[in-house]
Amino acid sequence: KAGVTQTPRYLIKTRGQQVTLSCSPISGHRSVSWYQQTPGQGLQFLFEYFSETQRNKGNFPGRFSGRQFSNSRSEMNVSTLELGDSALYLCASSLVGTGIGKTQYFGPGTRLLVL
Amino acid sequence: AQSVTQPDIHITVSEGASLELRCNYSYGATPYLFWYVQSPGQGLQLLLKYFSGDTLVQGIKGFEAEFKRSQSSFNLRKPSVHWSDAAEYFCAVGSNDMRFGAGTRLTVKP
Repeated sequence: KAGVTQTPRYLIKTRGQQVTLSCSPISGHRSVSWYQQTPGQGLQFLFEYFSETQRNKGNFPGRFSGRQFSNSRSEMNVSTLELGDSALYLCASSLVGTGIGKTQYFGPGTRLLVL
Repeated sequence: AQSVTQPDIHITVSEGASLELRCNYSYGATPYLFWYVQSPGQGLQLLLKYFSGDTLVQGIKGFEAEFKRSQSSFNLRKPSVHWSDAAEYFCAVGSNDMRFGAGTRLTVKP
């Protein structure tokens, strides 16, 4: 079974631009979560989607948004990019949405560089 | 609030030596605990997980971890380290809002 895929793998943007990242979960998985990884802050939870609904949200500004489609694929969008948004953005999928048995499997990430 | 502490930022071990990576957690209820490994430029690979039951869990690549509720710990162990184990290791707790430790970078000496 194919793993979590993320596109693009690398991205360079300039300040003020916006960016959209895509994540395709493992087949059959309905939950998709997004994380930001930086050297200074480590891994931080952005948000989670389950059955096209945002279920949880981390402590990030409104410039960070996401959505999930009926086929469980998810996109996250960052508007008005700042230098501090440079990071590895990781997507994770899980079969169940909550509770025991919820195990997240991660994609390879999208490395975003903001100049 | 749930949180995870990995006290060791960097550990160096010789190839063939045993390994123990420490993880302490803070969680209000029965924790769901995970260990992930990340190679440079890659995503996170799940090594093992604990939800309930037997407190000693086996994972992939010869790793195991022991859940100790009294010590709020979930330390990762491997009896004999291979050079390919060099990577960064993350302990995580939670389910809906997973919290990760800061990671421990493992260097393996020949």
